[in-house]
Amino acid sequence: DAGITQSPRHKVTETGTPVTLRCHQTENHRYMYWYRQDPGHGLRLIHYSYGVKDTDKGEVSDGYSVSRSKTEDFLLTLESATSSQTSVYFCAISDSGETGELFFGEGSRLTVL
Amino acid sequence: SQELEQSPQSLIVQEGKNLTINCTSSKTLYGLYWYKQKYGEGLIFLMMLQKGGEEKSHEKITAKLDEKKQQSSLHITASQPSHAGIYLCGADASESSGDKLTFGTGTRLAVRP
Repeated sequence: DAGITQSPRHKVTETGTPVTLRCHQTENHRYMYWYRQDPGHGLRLIHYSYGVKDTDKGEVSDGYSVSRSKTEDFLLTLESATSSQTSVYFCAISDSGETGELFFGEGSRLTVL
Repeated sequence: SQELEQSPQSLIVQEGKNLTINCTSSKTLYGLYWYKQKYGEGLIFLMMLQKGGEEKSHEKITAKLDEKKQQSSLHITASQPSHAGIYLCGADASESSGDKLTFGTGTRLAVRP
């Protein structure tokens, strides 16, 4: 199994509070991604990173920011959580930016009340 | 943007039966990826198809990409309880996007012993 750890795995928070999800990898893969999974929408790309301090927006980036100060860590921050951000968040990594063979973490379930 | 439609949305089969899941794209598929997700877990990569007419097999799972590269099918032969889960297709958002995948909404498969 690819070494990907997401934390926290479960979190309940209130509207308006900041939330940070962490993705940690031990594979030294260059590429990292944050997806959210919602019923009826499948997986949607939020942000991705091609290297340290090299990030870009995905399909549903509004309300989210990311940071990657080290190869192994990719942080997803909700500056002010809203109920529409209740979702399951998945981190994925890849050693190639040319194929869609991604390795996924086990997900972080976030509930915003 | 590219949209992927999967059918059926859910499926219940008796152990030992064959089944097929379809993934249809609104645009030409430059790369088509099949993933499996066990309930409450992350996604696991199954197969990648890139060429029109390509077919790949892994154990009892066979995936095909049609000649026009707009539809893929996933066929499971002699289904087992271990095949249960959610199957998702993912596709390259464009010819050059490689790793930034658009996903279908998934097909939930249950296998009755």
